[in-house]
Amino acid sequence: NAGVTQTPKFQVLKTGQSMTLQCAQDMNHEYMSWYRQDPGMGLRLIHYSVGAGITDQGEVPNGYNVSRSTTEDFPLRLLSAAPSQTSVYFCASSYRGYPSGANVLTFGAGSRLTVL
Amino acid sequence: GIQVEQSPPDLILQEGANSTLRCNFSDSVNNLQWFHQNPWGQLINLFYIPSGTKQNGRLSATTVATERYSLLYISSSQTTDSGVYFCAAITGGGNKLTFGTGTQLKVEL
Repeated sequence: NAGVTQTPKFQVLKTGQSMTLQCAQDMNHEYMSWYRQDPGMGLRLIHYSVGAGITDQGEVPNGYNVSRSTTEDFPLRLLSAAPSQTSVYFCASSYRGYPSGANVLTFGAGSRLTVL
Repeated sequence: GIQVEQSPPDLILQEGANSTLRCNFSDSVNNLQWFHQNPWGQLINLFYIPSGTKQNGRLSATTVATERYSLLYISSSQTTDSGVYFCAAITGGGNKLTFGTGTQLKVEL
């Protein structure tokens, strides 16, 4: 099925461990982004990419790395997990970077991360 | 950056009632979207509406860009409308979509 696929859906880490959240889309979308959702705070942008080889920081980039080697994939890396990174993470994509009105965001199902 | 504020934070309705959700933003925008997050966490885009009015079934949205607000109308609400409604905006020529903190809606029988 076409869409945005995130893995894993659930993950528990210990403080200091590293991991990668995977995001893949099969819609040939140029724009991809990562958000984190915390209670009472809406969704906050971590990093985004407007095409392969191009990434930029969002509102809360500290503690996270990204790369975009292909159009399809946009992994989010936590190099040394901290309890403050306990959250639900969403990947989203659109056909073209903003502000074109035809290109609304399509979200993945989310990844719930707990850091102990 | 742009500030996006939503009201009310929580809303409980009886099935069949109508409601209006509000989104205020601190700067002029060239991209304004409404999203629904269902109780299982899935986020779905409802409207792209930087200005004007749009309707989709029982839902409609109006953005008054000059006064920096947008409204989402839900008519004849159903239990399946429950969830969190977010508005999100971009200002200027940027690529960063800023979300409000959402309105939690519960529709009861």
